[in-house]
Amino acid sequence: EIVMTQSPATLSVSPGERATLSCRASQSVSSNLGWYQQKPGQAPRLLIYGAATRATGIPDRFSGSGSGTEFTLTISRLEAEDSAVYYCQQYKNWPRTFGQGTKVEIK
Amino acid sequence: QIQLVQSGAEVKKPGASVKVSCRASGYTFTSSDINWVRQATGQGLEWMGWMNPNSGDAGFAPKFQGRVTMTRDTSLNTAYLELTDLTSDDTAIYYCARASQLMNWGQGSLVSVSS
Repeated sequence: EIVMTQSPATLSVSPGERATLSCRASQSVSSNLGWYQQKPGQAPRLLIYGAATRATGIPDRFSGSGSGTEFTLTISRLEAEDSAVYYCQQYKNWPRTFGQGTKVEIK
Repeated sequence: QIQLVQSGAEVKKPGASVKVSCRASGYTFTSSDINWVRQATGQGLEWMGWMNPNSGDAGFAPKFQGRVTMTRDTSLNTAYLELTDLTSDDTAIYYCARASQLMNWGQGSLVSVSS
């Protein structure tokens, strides 16, 4: 199975600053990569699919990049409401696999 | 708008089975796969398997093989996840999600396993 590794585990960023989250796959997943945001007590929400396409209703301060094995989620101007855990998931191979998550905290 | 509405919380004894439902609306139910994902308290997301509501074909993560069944009732636009031989390790929130990209998510169904 493809192992997805996210870094860092926790990221502390000031409001208005940029947050950069990384996701690495143990083998190529091409662009079959999604990013999800989960706030406490809520279901996850799709932010990015196809590695770089924003889902409906997602603000343009969220952007995704990468292909193959290295991916990045960037939050360009962090807002308080962006405090959450962010997961990546590959949907190229079976079984689908998630990274362990990056917790974004607001300084 | 697209919605996935799941069944309520369940409390089960070890060794029992549980069946969680996921009712879809706002799109053609048979046009998108349904995936199931679970999350133990304080833990990350774990993909369990998928089902094609049109054909009924399904596939599962290896750790759930033999214990999980995914079915659907197209007349009710509803997908079902059944998990057997429950242990305390199966205590988690179970989510359904639409399509490979997990475009839309249900609200989650808490399954608690305790003697």
